[in-house]
Amino acid sequence: DAGVIQSPRHEVTEMGQEVTLRCKPISGHDYLFWYRQTMMRGLELLIYFNNNVPIDDSGMPEDRFSAKMPNASFSTLKIQPSEPRDSAVYFCASRARWWGTDTQYFGPGTRLTVL
Amino acid sequence: GQQLNQSPQSMFIQEGEDVSMNCTSSSIFNTWLWYKQDPGEGPVLLIALYKAGELTSNGRLTAQFGITRKDSFLNISASIPSDVGIYFCAGLANNAGNMLTFGGGTRLMVKP
Repeated sequence: DAGVIQSPRHEVTEMGQEVTLRCKPISGHDYLFWYRQTMMRGLELLIYFNNNVPIDDSGMPEDRFSAKMPNASFSTLKIQPSEPRDSAVYFCASRARWWGTDTQYFGPGTRLTVL
Repeated sequence: GQQLNQSPQSMFIQEGEDVSMNCTSSSIFNTWLWYKQDPGEGPVLLIALYKAGELTSNGRLTAQFGITRKDSFLNISASIPSDVGIYFCAGLANNAGNMLTFGGGTRLMVKP
């Protein structure tokens, strides 16, 4: 299995521009999570989906952030307009629950820099 | 909300030494996960624990799910330079829906 795939790995953009981050979860996983990691705040959960449906978006910082999951193999996190304080590493993770086990696997992350 | 206290925050050790780190909480968890994050990469799952008292090994790594369900520890034996990174604990509680609570991380540095 290729694991969780994220693109791009690095994104540099100017303030005010739209940014779209992409994620492909592990096949067969029915949960998908978006996290943001900064030195100051550590790992923060932004939103998660179950069977493509957003379940909890209470971690989304503000209306400039939106996430979609049009099908089981693809999700996007969009920031519009972007601001310098959005600079962080954004991780996607997918979750498997099999036979009493429960694990969550992370992608390699997208390092976003907003100038 | 739930919080995980992870300690130590950082460790600087000599190659070959054993390492121990732990996480504690005021809340009960029913799953404990330990991750390692290398620079520029995402957290990689090392060990998953599902039962109180469970002791699980993965090579030189050993982790235990505390009997009280409020703590977990991770040991690394005979450390090597590639063990360098940040180690995170994460817990899942019944009343947290499907959201993991993460510790603040332990930064491990190994001197060859």
